[in-house]
Amino acid sequence: LAKTTQPPSMEAYEGQEVNVSCSHTNIATSEYIYWYRQVPHQGPQFIIQGYKDYVVNEVASLFISADRKLSTLSLPWVSLRDAAVYYCIVTDMNTGGLSGKLTFGEGTQVTVIS
Amino acid sequence: GALVYQYPRRTICKSGTSMRMECQAVGFQATSVAWYRQSPQKTFELIALSTVNSAIKYEQNFTQEKFPISHPNLSFSSMTVLNAYLEDRGLYLCGARDMGGPDTQYFGPGTRLLVL
Repeated sequence: LAKTTQPPSMEAYEGQEVNVSCSHTNIATSEYIYWYRQVPHQGPQFIIQGYKDYVVNEVASLFISADRKLSTLSLPWVSLRDAAVYYCIVTDMNTGGLSGKLTFGEGTQVTVIS
Repeated sequence: GALVYQYPRRTICKSGTSMRMECQAVGFQATSVAWYRQSPQKTFELIALSTVNSAIKYEQNFTQEKFPISHPNLSFSSMTVLNAYLEDRGLYLCGARDMGGPDTQYFGPGTRLLVL
């Protein structure tokens, strides 16, 4: 499984866009990129997943570099509720998907300043 | 929507005793249920993965003898921590995958175990 590297922490003011990067230099062709976030006293919450190019949903957008070694989660107009630890996970469909095994790294602590 | 409930949310047990925790999937059928432990330092460990019609697979350092799991149907799973000691403390998370939905795993809020 590919290892991921994220910045340990980031800060942003309310209303700003936050971009959280994730490096996965050894990603395999069978692997997808998942992003989760966790707020205190709760379990991780799925945000978005992607394989290549650009993915967007109602919560966030995900840009994946052409070589798939770098991905960036973009949160538009962050609010205080977006303060959380954001986890980038790379796994293949056979383990992370159909069977359900996810490997969490250290994550990025996003702090939102009012 | 898809929700995962866990019970209890918090529990305290004496060293050497056991406690059982439950995981309930609501609004979807969970083909697989993964149990994780998040340490006080926030690191995650996968304990075991239970998939419908397959044997429960335990990760290294975790055993059925210590963490027996029951997964009787597509909406419920339980795990017991036997002979709990200080190193077993943490947040126990249940992650369930929706058989008919997007390829994602839904997590419950966790059961926080404190061992005295």
